[in-house]
Amino acid sequence: DQQVKQNSPSLSVQEGRISILNCDYTNSMFDYFLWYKKYPAEGPTFLISISSIKDKNEDGRFTVFLNKSAKHLSLHIVPSQPGDSAVYFCAASEVDSNYQLIWGAGTKLIIKP
Amino acid sequence: SQTIHQWPATLVQPVGSPLSLECTVEGTSNPNLYWYRQAAGRGLQLLFYSVGIGQISSEVPQNLSASRPQDRQFILSSKKLLLSDSGFYLCAWTPNFSYEQYFGPGTRLTVT
Repeated sequence: DQQVKQNSPSLSVQEGRISILNCDYTNSMFDYFLWYKKYPAEGPTFLISISSIKDKNEDGRFTVFLNKSAKHLSLHIVPSQPGDSAVYFCAASEVDSNYQLIWGAGTKLIIKP
Repeated sequence: SQTIHQWPATLVQPVGSPLSLECTVEGTSNPNLYWYRQAAGRGLQLLFYSVGIGQISSEVPQNLSASRPQDRQFILSSKKLLLSDSGFYLCAWTPNFSYEQYFGPGTRLTVT
């Protein structure tokens, strides 16, 4: 059973517009959420995170929103740039899990010029 | 600053052959270490993690094994590879008490 779901395998956005990547989870014990970006043939790189005690965290062009009642989080990228084209993974960690991460399947973001 | 190394970058091995992938971390001590596999078009599957020398936890039963002979060295092994072992293998580390995992460049393994 997938505890972290990224239901959109891919997303295409015009350069300069907003990209919104979504992630749903089922485990109410998750208390920390992270977004990673991955280019082909490279390891993922950490982008931004959010604790369950917050509903928003912002870092430059990247903002993560958390809706605990809906068990949903989203990553907003504004404005989208060509270098943002990559696969984005959502990950979550459960309380007392020794900081282990449960990963979504990823969403491939394509930024069109 | 901390860096993580993985080698080799790519590997083509026949079915039934052994495997040894190595990961080392520099610039930190007593990291938590992880091995993941990413199959084509799939997410990251945690294979093993280690919180200290000689301490290995396995998440998925399979023909792979892991060892941590030194504090900053993590090795993924197999005695006999299967076709299903093909994939992109990633090593990651975290400082103690941290959620953010930092990944190495990965190894592309193709079993033929």
